[in-house]
Amino acid sequence: AQSVAQPEDQVNVAEGNPLTVKCTYSVSGNPYLFWYVQYPNRGLQFLLKYITGDNLVKGSYGFEAEFNKSQTSFHLKKPSALVSDSALYFCAVIWAGNMLTFGGGTRLMVKP
Amino acid sequence: GAVVSQHPSWVICKSGTSVKIECRSLDFQATTMFWYRQFPKQSLMLMATSNEGSKATYEQGVEKDKFLINHASLTLSTLTVTSAHPEDSSFYICSARNDQDQETQYFGPGTRLLVL
Repeated sequence: AQSVAQPEDQVNVAEGNPLTVKCTYSVSGNPYLFWYVQYPNRGLQFLLKYITGDNLVKGSYGFEAEFNKSQTSFHLKKPSALVSDSALYFCAVIWAGNMLTFGGGTRLMVKP
Repeated sequence: GAVVSQHPSWVICKSGTSVKIECRSLDFQATTMFWYRQFPKQSLMLMATSNEGSKATYEQGVEKDKFLINHASLTLSTLTVTSAHPEDSSFYICSARNDQDQETQYFGPGTRLLVL
């Protein structure tokens, strides 16, 4: 079965510093990988996806993620964090036409 | 582009009543929509897959007679929580998959249901 793990419940970063939110997946073959962000009492907003091609994917709001097949990872990154980036981030995977499977979520706290 | 709306955003109801939640794709067609439930500080749990013109597919453990889904058009799916009870209180989120982009789901803003 496909699965995705976000090992950190919370990530704390100072404003202006680079941030990384980790995601690893467990599927065979070629997964489709996604990052979504959720602000309080809101639905999920699509940030970026990896389907094929360049391993470094650039998305909304200055976020990017790197697909690493050997490490089965798809970590979300941003060079300089903003306080407004504070939110709940979900990694998700689709494999072989199955349903979108979400990680447990990581709360990002950016402090001024 | 790729905007999904949900209505209502908040609903409070008495136990035993039924509540209908609408999910609309505003600027694209969606043959397939999805309904999720999210508990506080938890990830999303897929409840069912809604297919335009056919019966919804429910995930294991989700009562289809409790959570009625209708997908009558390519831009609208509805979830009706029948005879709601306090344990049905939750945050319900829908998503829609653009027919032109089969990989990506776009999510609505969610509906918070409180059953008294």
